[in-house]
Amino acid sequence: EADIYQTPRYLVIGTGKKITLECSQTMGHDKMYWYQQDPGMELHLIHYSYGVNSTEKGDLSSESTVSRIRTEHFPLTLESARPSHTSQYLCASSDRGEESNQPQHFGDGTRLSIL
Amino acid sequence: KNQVEQSPQSLIILEGKNCTLQCNYTVSPFSNLRWYKQDTGRGPVSLTIMTFSENTKSNGRYTATLDADTKQSSLHITASQLSDSASYICVVSDRGSTLGRLYFGRGTQLTVWP
Repeated sequence: EADIYQTPRYLVIGTGKKITLECSQTMGHDKMYWYQQDPGMELHLIHYSYGVNSTEKGDLSSESTVSRIRTEHFPLTLESARPSHTSQYLCASSDRGEESNQPQHFGDGTRLSIL
Repeated sequence: KNQVEQSPQSLIILEGKNCTLQCNYTVSPFSNLRWYKQDTGRGPVSLTIMTFSENTKSNGRYTATLDADTKQSSLHITASQLSDSASYICVVSDRGSTLGRLYFGRGTQLTVWP
């Protein structure tokens, strides 16, 4: 089992609220990722990081922001939640080295519902 | 356009039976192909990773094959169990960037009945 944790698992909250989704990993991985997944659809990369103080936007445009102050912690923040942000958010990490040999380890996700 | 297509979209089989899931991709240049298992309400878990030079890889009752010439992969599950009920996701990585861009399929939803 991979040691990557996401909290909360479920969140139902009203429009306009500020939200932070937490992601922590205890494997010492340099690379971390945030994906968005809707039912029956493929995962879309929204943010990634190669290490402390490194963050980049992914392929899917997102109004969320991320930070990487510590290796083990990669939180995602929505400043003002909207119903269009309703989705499942998955955090992942992988070790350094050849990309071809490194699987991504996923957390169990946060299912976010904005009313 | 780089794409990953999986078939069937869903599949129901009886416990103990075998099944094969398909993945076709157009990703180029190709780096590796991964199969993940995602249980309902959980994150994906890696089953296999295959590079260009590998044409088969096993993980217990799961065997993945890769034909890089035809850009096809399959995941064969032997002697299915109830716990195999999950979504199986095919993911292809390219070599076009440092990130090793990942292209995800939409998954095949497998249900195993007793």
